Amino acid sequence: AAGVIQSPRHLIKEKRETATLKCYPIPRHDTVYWYQQGPGQDPQFLISFYEKMQSDKGSIPDRFSAQQFSDYHSELNMSSLELGDSALYFCASSLGRGTGNQPQHFGDGTRLSIL
Amino acid sequence: AQTVTQSQPEMSVQEAETVTLSCTYDTSESDYYLFWYKQPPSRQMILVIRQEAYKQQNATENRFSVNFQKAAKSFSLKISDSQLGDAAMYFCAYRSARGEDKIIFGKGTRLHILP
Repeated sequence: AAGVIQSPRHLIKEKRETATLKCYPIPRHDTVYWYQQGPGQDPQFLISFYEKMQSDKGSIPDRFSAQQFSDYHSELNMSSLELGDSALYFCASSLGRGTGNQPQHFGDGTRLSIL
Repeated sequence: AQTVTQSQPEMSVQEAETVTLSCTYDTSESDYYLFWYKQPPSRQMILVIRQEAYKQQNATENRFSVNFQKAAKSFSLKISDSQLGDAAMYFCAYRSARGEDKIIFGKGTRLHILP
């Protein structure tokens, strides 16, 4: 079965640079979620989109922005990168949101390293 | 705010034996979902099992089962007939049923399987 696709798998940047992470949800999934997992930490929710509109927001820095496109893929844009942004960034997708019990299916993550 | 607590940072179990991972959570809500996710060294985030809070019956998925005690706000995971492939970080997680998208994760329990 098709899974959530994230690209790139690894990304190395320097401080103050910008980065764009991409997420392609499972076909027919209309909701996308972004999480950040620091080294040795649990994943922290950043932001989510449902039908191309932002649906929920967590601890996402102002330097980060995201959007969901008409084909339901999503991009997380990160600017003025800091050393503390080094982390594993997960994207997840689901069919529907809200009170539905549709599970979030996670991609393999993008490992971002800031030098 | 909801919190998820996993009090066992690491555990070990002999292959073929049974192990129980503990999880407690705090919420003022009556309707929610609970999950156990597995993160092996390959870093994927894999859904192991989920439980709807309104269901009294404990969820079971093959060798994995939960002991859900709603009044005590406890949600432990039992792994029977442990296999080498079960070695991973296990995250207990909570999601509100009130329209919030975010999943709140515990700090994780690293499970080692001893051959």
